[in-house]
Amino acid sequence: GEDVEQSLFLSVREGDSSVINCTYTDSSSTYLYWYKQEPGAGLQLLTYIFSNMDMKQDQRLTVLLNKKDKHLSLRIADTQTGDSAIYFCAESPYSSASKIIFGSGTRLSIRP
Amino acid sequence: GAVVSQHPSWVICKSGTSVKIECRSLDFQATTMFWYRQFPKQSLMLMATSNEGSKATYEQGVEKDKFLINHASLTLSTLTVTSAHPEDSSFYICSAEREHFPGSYNEQFFGPGTRLTVL
Repeated sequence: GEDVEQSLFLSVREGDSSVINCTYTDSSSTYLYWYKQEPGAGLQLLTYIFSNMDMKQDQRLTVLLNKKDKHLSLRIADTQTGDSAIYFCAESPYSSASKIIFGSGTRLSIRP
Repeated sequence: GAVVSQHPSWVICKSGTSVKIECRSLDFQATTMFWYRQFPKQSLMLMATSNEGSKATYEQGVEKDKFLINHASLTLSTLTVTSAHPEDSSFYICSAEREHFPGSYNEQFFGPGTRLTVL
């Protein structure tokens, strides 16, 4: 079956890098995503990576994909207070590219 | 970017009543929309896929008679929670899929969510 797992909490100091990790079980995933959810709000797509890529960088965000280990990570450089949110890892299975399976979300908190 | 709205943003209702939630794609047409449910401090669970002009496809364990979905136009899908009970209290989020071009990646844009509280 399809399952996406990630740790529930992460606390980092302002200005440091944040690394949020995720593992998934579906080896046929087509796309893998990182979404951000701020309190009481919907989801914002931060970035996505196609399954044949190893890395994608977009300004302060770096996504690393290890297909062999089915491991996805999101690195946020120079973490700011505005980065406080819940970050969801998600994947689309090959069998249904429109369907998105979400992880449980990692709550990122920033220390001054 | 594309905008998806939901109405209402929050609703409180009495047990046994029905509640309708609207999901609109404001600046693009969406053949496909999705309805998710999110419990406090938990992930989003896909409830159903809403297809314009046809019946919705429900995920396993989701009662189609309880959660009625109507996708009457390319910009509007509605979710009606019938005979609501306290256990239906949740955060309901919709998304609308925008096709860039045939065969390409279709991005989902999410609404801000509707918080339903059933007393």
